[in-house]
Amino acid sequence: GNSVTQMEGPVTLSEEAFLTINCTYTATGYPSLFWYVQYPGEGLQLLLKATKADDKGSNKGFEATYRKETTSFHLEKGSVQVSDSAVYFCALRARNNAGNMLTFGGGTRLMVKP
Amino acid sequence: ETGVTQSPTHLIKTRGQQVTLRCSSQSGHNTVSWYQQALGQGPQFIFQYYREEENGRGNFPPRFSGLQFPNYSSELNVNALELDDSALYLCASSRDSYEQYFGPGTRLTVT
Repeated sequence: GNSVTQMEGPVTLSEEAFLTINCTYTATGYPSLFWYVQYPGEGLQLLLKATKADDKGSNKGFEATYRKETTSFHLEKGSVQVSDSAVYFCALRARNNAGNMLTFGGGTRLMVKP
Repeated sequence: ETGVTQSPTHLIKTRGQQVTLRCSSQSGHNTVSWYQQALGQGPQFIFQYYREEENGRGNFPPRFSGLQFPNYSSELNVNALELDDSALYLCASSRDSYEQYFGPGTRLTVT
């Protein structure tokens, strides 16, 4: 079946530090890949996406590249801010007999200190 | 453009009871998906409705059921509540198979 594995948190960084959150996946076919962010007490917000190999998704300074050869979709940001503190979820969407469901990783909590 | 809304925000129920959660999809969206997010975990897919028909289901027992209405709003019903059903329930809407937009969730506590 489909699965997503993320690095466990929490990840604690100082403001302006470089961020990497690792994500690898297992899927049949060619899934679309997503990063979602969840702020305290809120639902999920789509951060970025990539739909085919070598695509780079980017938004608000965050980037992730769809690497088919390593089945990875690592999230990066060059300089984090305190306001980036949240939980980040990597997800994939693959068409199967359960509809266009999203399969999520376990989430990685990011804490940015001033 | 109105986003995805869910009600109620919080709910406390007793084991064995039944609960109904509601979701209003974003304007123009015809597909609704429901997810269960246990504390400290990623969301798990429950089921999806497309144009009032169930379009896929995850590994949840039949006591989890749903409906989608002609205006594409949706309900999630859970019968015979168990303690492990305590979670954040997220609704997401989309137009066909495009990006899913999530609501703020309903926090269900079963005591």
